[in-house]
Amino acid sequence: GDSVTQMEGPVTLSEEAFLTINCTYTATGYPSLFWYVQYPGEGLQLLLKATKADDKGSNKGFEATYRKETTSFHLEKGSVQVSDSAVYFCARTSGAGSYQLTFGKGTKLSVIP
Amino acid sequence: EPEVTQTPSHQVTQMGQEVILRCVPISNHLYFYWYRQILGQKVEFLVSFYNNEISEKSEIFDDQFSVERPDGSNFTLKIRSTKLEDSAMYFCASSVFAGEGQPQHFGDGTRLSIL
Repeated sequence: GDSVTQMEGPVTLSEEAFLTINCTYTATGYPSLFWYVQYPGEGLQLLLKATKADDKGSNKGFEATYRKETTSFHLEKGSVQVSDSAVYFCARTSGAGSYQLTFGKGTKLSVIP
Repeated sequence: EPEVTQTPSHQVTQMGQEVILRCVPISNHLYFYWYRQILGQKVEFLVSFYNNEISEKSEIFDDQFSVERPDGSNFTLKIRSTKLEDSAMYFCASSVFAGEGQPQHFGDGTRLSIL
């Protein structure tokens, strides 16, 4: 069925390291894709989104490109900071008239000084 | 910046009791949602609500669950007779409208613990 698959965590990086969190999806339609972030003790915050092939979403130094050919939406950041420590969730709509979000399991990122 | 607020932050309830989780969506938003996350599992969609009606619901949203917009600001999730497996974090979300690319804004969640 329709799903979102994220790389397993936790991921631990040193400050200023390059970050990639992989996300692939399956969907019957043409979905919109999202990355949400959850800081400790808080709710889910929208980080970025993309709605069509080759769109690049970006925010706070994070980027992700909608790759229809590989059904992927990998999250990247060139230089992580300690304040980026959080759980990151990839999500999609179905793209077939349903706007409920389907989420990946989440990837916990810890950035150490 | 406007935000979705949820109360309480933590609810502890005896199995078999009714529980009501409360949410105040962002004021100009028209679509409302409930999701839940059982510990260690994915965030799962429960139900969406628009114009005082359920728009979509998942298989999880059975007859034990109901939603209501009792006034112009609140949106509630009621579980009639709670089970142990209802223990989870429940997230409320809202969006201006429903459409591709339309972001849903989430509250901080209510942690429901069933004893």
